[in-house]
Amino acid sequence: DAGVIQSPRHEVTEMGQEVTLRCKPISGHDYLFWYRQTMMRGLELLIYFNNNVPIDDSGMPEDRFSAKMPNASFSTLKIQPSEPRDSAVYFCASSLASGSTKNIQYFGAGTRLSVL
Amino acid sequence: GNSVTQMEGPVTLSEEAFLTINCTYTATGYPSLFWYVQYPGEGLQLLLKATKADDKGSNKGFEATYRKETTSFHLEKGSVQVSDSAVYFCALSGAGYSTLTFGKGTMLLVSP
Repeated sequence: DAGVIQSPRHEVTEMGQEVTLRCKPISGHDYLFWYRQTMMRGLELLIYFNNNVPIDDSGMPEDRFSAKMPNASFSTLKIQPSEPRDSAVYFCASSLASGSTKNIQYFGAGTRLSVL
Repeated sequence: GNSVTQMEGPVTLSEEAFLTINCTYTATGYPSLFWYVQYPGEGLQLLLKATKADDKGSNKGFEATYRKETTSFHLEKGSVQVSDSAVYFCALSGAGYSTLTFGKGTMLLVSP
């Protein structure tokens, strides 16, 4: 398997613009997670899905952030409008609900977002 | 709630030195414990795991033992290499939960 695939790898945008980050989880995985990583706050869980259904979005910082998972092979994280404090590396991860690799999360390479 | 505490970094070592990164946790029940590693510019990847008390996880010369009596899961390596320079995260998965609780990460810098 190719692993978790995120796009784009780098995104530079101006304050106020809409940003969409994309994620393709590992085929067959039941869970999908979105994280944000900054030097100040470390690794934060934003939202996670089980079988395409959002389970917990309590980590989403503001209404400007939204996430969708229209099918088992694709998810998006959208920021509208973006602000400079949203600059961070955003990671997507996926995992299985059962089996020997249960709860092991596999991470994508991340999207480095810079909001100017 | 669940929490993970790991030693602050950076940890700076010379090549071939012995490494210990401390990790302690708070959780109800019997969590599974993990060490993840993040190399520069990359995502986190699983280094090793342990699912029950006294289990030892090992990979690439790294080891960690699940100690329930001390609620610890310290990471060790007998002889570090420059290529081990990375950020190491301790994490736990609570019994019946699908999410991971991560520590803040410890940066390891190994010089030749």
